[in-house]
Amino acid sequence: GAGVSQSPSNKVTEKGKDVELRCDPISGHTALYWYRQSLGQGLEFLIYFQGNSAPDKSGLPSDRFSAERTGGSVSTLTIQRTQQEDSAVYLCASSPTGTSGETQYFGPGTRLLVL
Amino acid sequence: QKEVEQNSGPLSVPEGAIASLNCTYSDRGSQSFFWYRQYSGKSPELIMSIYSNGDKEDGRFTAQLNKASQYVSLLIRDSQPSDSATYLCAVNMISGGYQKVTFGTGTKLQVIP
Repeated sequence: GAGVSQSPSNKVTEKGKDVELRCDPISGHTALYWYRQSLGQGLEFLIYFQGNSAPDKSGLPSDRFSAERTGGSVSTLTIQRTQQEDSAVYLCASSPTGTSGETQYFGPGTRLLVL
Repeated sequence: QKEVEQNSGPLSVPEGAIASLNCTYSDRGSQSFFWYRQYSGKSPELIMSIYSNGDKEDGRFTAQLNKASQYVSLLIRDSQPSDSATYLCAVNMISGGYQKVTFGTGTKLQVIP
């Protein structure tokens, strides 16, 4: 079946502009995660959605970052007033139920460049 | 102290040798442990998961877990050039009522033909 998809695959924007990044998880997966990976760095957790529960937003780096998940499926990560330090690969992952020990399946990522 | 620590490398091993990748974690309550492989410019993919103390083998890969020492490792036998990638250690823990996976910064492995 289809894996996790993300769009756009690449995004170049100017400092100060807003961007929206989209994630389509694997069908039926209730858990969805957003991570950020800067060049040569590990994965930085941003936010976690689990079904209809309140999301874990503890990883969002500032109030310029927000995310929503509509209908328990597609998720959108929004970055307002982008800064150059926001340049990174934004990865989305999903897992079946979000319980401990589950594999996370990653999408191809969105490469964001803020000029 | 970082929650999940790995040596960034690069770790260089000759083809056919055993590559040993190490990871330590800070939270004694951690329950599940994962090794992901990430090729340059690609997304991470799961290699191994381990939940109990001891060894778990899958083909050329062996994961080792020692909860008392808060240490998890990945051994790759008969290393191949195609194993050259960054290996990310990930640890699942419960934090603030949420289950959360924390990734290390990864160890870059280079297998020299």
